[in-house]
Amino acid sequence: NAGVTQTPKFRVLKTGQSMTLLCAQDMNHEYMYWYRQDPGMGLRLIHYSVGEGTTAKGEVPDGYNVSRLKKQNFLLGLESAAPSQTSVYFCASSPGQGWGTEQFFGPGTRLTVL
Amino acid sequence: GQQVMQIPQYQHVQEGEDFTTYCNSSTTLSNIQWYKQRPGGHPVFLIQLVKSGEVKKQKRLTFQFGEAKKNSSLHITATQTTDVGTYFCAGWASGSARQLTFGSGTQLTVLP
Repeated sequence: NAGVTQTPKFRVLKTGQSMTLLCAQDMNHEYMYWYRQDPGMGLRLIHYSVGEGTTAKGEVPDGYNVSRLKKQNFLLGLESAAPSQTSVYFCASSPGQGWGTEQFFGPGTRLTVL
Repeated sequence: GQQVMQIPQYQHVQEGEDFTTYCNSSTTLSNIQWYKQRPGGHPVFLIQLVKSGEVKKQKRLTFQFGEAKKNSSLHITATQTTDVGTYFCAGWASGSARQLTFGSGTQLTVLP
């Protein structure tokens, strides 16, 4: 099993450009999450999903949109990138009742917005 | 909202010394998880604590959950160079927003 995979691994955008980050998991997990990690600030939840076709806002959702059309995929979109969105983005998944179970993280996407 | 504070932010130790990181929550937690992130890597789950006063051990690592379920600690005995990385706690408070709240992490450097 590949676990949780993320594409791309690196990306450089100009301010105002858009992009989509793809997360895929092959563990049949119900819950999926998008986090951003900035120096000294730990991991902050952007959006999450408790099942196919459902999404919800996390701690820092502004400027991002998500979709979960298939159970195994969770997409994170930036419609108009800003320098403040320069960060490392991690996707994670967990089985049902995810708040009480282990989260499995992908390798991350390093995004730079110029 | 719920806040999880973690100290220290950085810790340098000589190989063989002990290391402890502390996690404090502004609210009572239902559970607390600990993750390790190696340099350039992604967070990897270490353990989850659920019960008040719970203590769990994994080889040289000892995890504690406070009696009031508002604080936790991770202690590493006789550190090794393989312990290098950032250690995060993450807590969930039942009745709050449905998300884990991560601490800011403690970055451990082990000098050989």
